Amino acid sequence: EVQLVQSGSQMKKPGESLKISCKASGYNFDKYWIGWVRQEAGKGPQWMGFVYPEDSDTRVNPSFRGQVTISVDKSLTTAYLQWSSLKASDTAMYFCAKWAGVGSYSLGMDVWGQGTTVTVSS
Amino acid sequence: DVQMTQSPSSVSASVGDRVTITCRASQDISAWISWYQQKPGEAPKLLISASTTLQSDFPLRFSGRGSGTDFSLTINDLQPEDVATYYCQQVAFFPQTFGGGTKIDMK
Repeated sequence: EVQLVQSGSQMKKPGESLKISCKASGYNFDKYWIGWVRQEAGKGPQWMGFVYPEDSDTRVNPSFRGQVTISVDKSLTTAYLQWSSLKASDTAMYFCAKWAGVGSYSLGMDVWGQGTTVTVSS
Repeated sequence: DVQMTQSPSSVSASVGDRVTITCRASQDISAWISWYQQKPGEAPKLLISASTTLQSDFPLRFSGRGSGTDFSLTINDLQPEDVATYYCQQVAFFPQTFGGGTKIDMK
């Protein structure tokens, strides 16, 4: 079974760092784009970016460039989303997702993690 | 960024109705659009890829069409389990962008 399992919810203070994870299983991890989607409460999804594990080619939404780091560890078949200095505006649900189609990012996201809630508050 | 204008933002319909949601892209995206269904408290689920390809998890009453800038998702014979919010997403250009969503509820 193809599955993405995300790390647990986090409560942090502004200025703190955070790294959340997404463990993939059941498919050839190296060959499918995997990335992150942000969703604030009551709002639509927002594509943050993704990475191709085979060569670590990474694309990041300019809205998030410099704010987050997207990475993978192929040996652990795990993707990561990292912040060095959180802001209150980072409060949201974060989903990891696998893109459909070998080597493709044009067929949508066919497998999703369960979501990680990040709350940033002083 | 490519803007995806989705309408209506909400619709109230009855069991058996046909519901059509439209999405208009701010520039030509060929057929590179995906549609998702999201139920409260859940992750979105891929419903349609490449404008017309229905995912195997979904019944044939769902269909998508369109190319260029104008797209639609149609649900025939609406069922109670179709109550959800539906989003379009263009995957032709970076950043990939979503429409604002259409919330379907039952009359």
